[in-house]
Amino acid sequence: NAGVTQTPKFRVLKTGQSMTLLCAQDMNHEYMYWYRQDPGMGLRLIHYSVGEGTTAKGEVPDGYNVSRLKKQNFLLGLESAAPSQTSVYFCASRNKAGGPTDTQYFGPGTRLTVL
Amino acid sequence: SQQGEEDPQALSIQEGENATMNCSYKTSINNLQWYRQNSGRGLVHLILIRSNEREKHSGRLRVTLDTSKKSSSLLITASRAADTASYFCAYISSGSARQLTFGSGTQLTVLP
Repeated sequence: NAGVTQTPKFRVLKTGQSMTLLCAQDMNHEYMYWYRQDPGMGLRLIHYSVGEGTTAKGEVPDGYNVSRLKKQNFLLGLESAAPSQTSVYFCASRNKAGGPTDTQYFGPGTRLTVL
Repeated sequence: SQQGEEDPQALSIQEGENATMNCSYKTSINNLQWYRQNSGRGLVHLILIRSNEREKHSGRLRVTLDTSKKSSSLLITASRAADTASYFCAYISSGSARQLTFGSGTQLTVLP
């Protein structure tokens, strides 16, 4: 049981390049999330998904797109990378049920640098 | 921004001392959670307190919640060097996916 995994772990892009970050979870969770974390700040929600085939915008969605074609995978795409997107990206997942199971499970992160 | 605020931003203590971190938020909440992040790693859930609870314990952790003041505190007793990490509060704000809103974090350093 690997939990939440993210690939790649590190990436350096030039301005204008595109890339896709992959998140995978093996816990059969319904909900998945993409966050970014900048120095000295907490996590900010980029996009999220409440189930296969559904996505929605979070707090900071501009410049990103997502897809949830399979329940276990949540992809984050940058079509034209900008230096402002230099950050650490975290994926998380959780069960659909609420209450005590509101806990989110996080991946190890992807450190992205855009030059 | 709807981010919660945490203080202090950084805290340095000696091993064996207690560490207290505070979190303030702006909206009505269902519950409030605390997460820990070791350097270069993802976040790990520590404890959840519901809006109708005032205090909760888990091992060396004690969390309080004051919904009238929209604030919470995390106390780590008898700290250890291995407790060195960043600590974030997070709470559910309005939204269908029960989105977590995170505080800005407290960087705790426990000196051996």
